[in-house]
Amino acid sequence: SAVISQKPSRDICQRGTSLTIQCQVDSQVTMMFWYRQQPGQSLTLIATANQGSEATYESGFVIDKFPISRPNLTFSTLTVSNLSPEDSSIYLCSVLRQDRGYTQYFGPGTRLTVL
Amino acid sequence: GDSVTQMEGPVTLSEEAFLTINCTYTATGYPSLFWYVQYPGEGLQLLLKATKADDKGSNKGFEATYRKETTSFHLEKGSVQVSDSAVYFCALNNNNDMRFGAGTRLTVKP
Repeated sequence: SAVISQKPSRDICQRGTSLTIQCQVDSQVTMMFWYRQQPGQSLTLIATANQGSEATYESGFVIDKFPISRPNLTFSTLTVSNLSPEDSSIYLCSVLRQDRGYTQYFGPGTRLTVL
Repeated sequence: GDSVTQMEGPVTLSEEAFLTINCTYTATGYPSLFWYVQYPGEGLQLLLKATKADDKGSNKGFEATYRKETTSFHLEKGSVQVSDSAVYFCALNNNNDMRFGAGTRLTVKP
């Protein structure tokens, strides 16, 4: 398995501001992922973050709105910029581990509320 | 593309009842299949997985069998507890492309 921590666990932000979410993993991983989970919904992949390269964004998500850093193999940040109430969601960090085939493990999530 | 379809909720059961949450998938090749559980206010936790046809994943009394002939991975538990109340997500991983079902909310009443 993997031990993944996220900070902050929750935040309430004003419209127009930004929030940076940190994700720390207990050991080195190549592939890290950021997901959004809107209220009562399933998970939507925002981007894949591999160390040493630019993040790869899914359709509907852009770097200007969701800049990602991946400075080393155990850490990543996701910034949600220019916040609007529609950004209120849970944001989840995830890693891929080789574990009898590949398995994704998730952090506890960051619950963002935008007023 | 690949996709996962799971039983719509919410599902409400009494304690000790039998649980089935249906999950079917569409995929090329040979995906790995997963069930994740999300307790209130928490992230997703891996519940069980199966990596090839006829594999049975099991954990905490939950089971699911990878059925390639019916492209299914139904989740079962013989006797649910109040503490099993959560949202359950079926998922597949095919060449590192992860797809999730919509989630099924389970409420177990004492």
